[in-house]
Amino acid sequence: EPEVTQTPSHQVTQMGQEVILRCVPISNHLYFYWYRQILGQKVEFLVSFYNNEISEKSEIFDDQFSVERPDGSNFTLKIRSTKLEDSAMYFCASSDPGDRENTGELFFGEGSRLTVL
Amino acid sequence: AQKVTQAQTEISVVEKEDVTLDCVYETRDTTYYLFWYKQPPSGELVFLIRRNSFDEQNEISGRYSWNFQKSTSSFNFTITASQVVDSAVYFCALSGTGGFKTIFGAGTRLFVKA
Repeated sequence: EPEVTQTPSHQVTQMGQEVILRCVPISNHLYFYWYRQILGQKVEFLVSFYNNEISEKSEIFDDQFSVERPDGSNFTLKIRSTKLEDSAMYFCASSDPGDRENTGELFFGEGSRLTVL
Repeated sequence: AQKVTQAQTEISVVEKEDVTLDCVYETRDTTYYLFWYKQPPSGELVFLIRRNSFDEQNEISGRYSWNFQKSTSSFNFTITASQVVDSAVYFCALSGTGGFKTIFGAGTRLFVKA
């Protein structure tokens, strides 16, 4: 069964460092997303990406964050200068273009845990 | 604005008990979609069900059932004869048409004790 894969599964970084989280969405999906879950809290929407541009983003997704689809398979989230409060699990998701109404049924990766020290 | 409320933070039951997880939503969209996801202790998010706003039929899948009531803006989830493996955090979620954004509730942590 096709799945969304994320790397790394866990990254530890120092405050102020840049981090890139990588995702390979399901191959025929066209909508891509990043969500964040701070430990023990709710899953929060960060950004959605369609047709090579951001379609929607939340207040959390400030100038420190960026997303990119550098090639036909990867979808990356970059945090330019990490802060302690960026420590969280980051989930990548994609959704099915055959779902014409884009109901938003999300297929999630297993997450990348980011720890900022 | 869209909002999902899961008022139950934690529920603890004994194996074989039935348990219902509540979900109340707010949206101005006339067409919208509701979801339940399960997050086991391993941390991944597992899709359980999707419902669109025009389909109020209740659904049953094995020990799981869902009760969608538009009149009360609720989409409750019942596990019948709960098992220890059902222990997880369960999230209710909502998206609108062309929904680039899915909003999650705060989650309900279910403990099923043997």
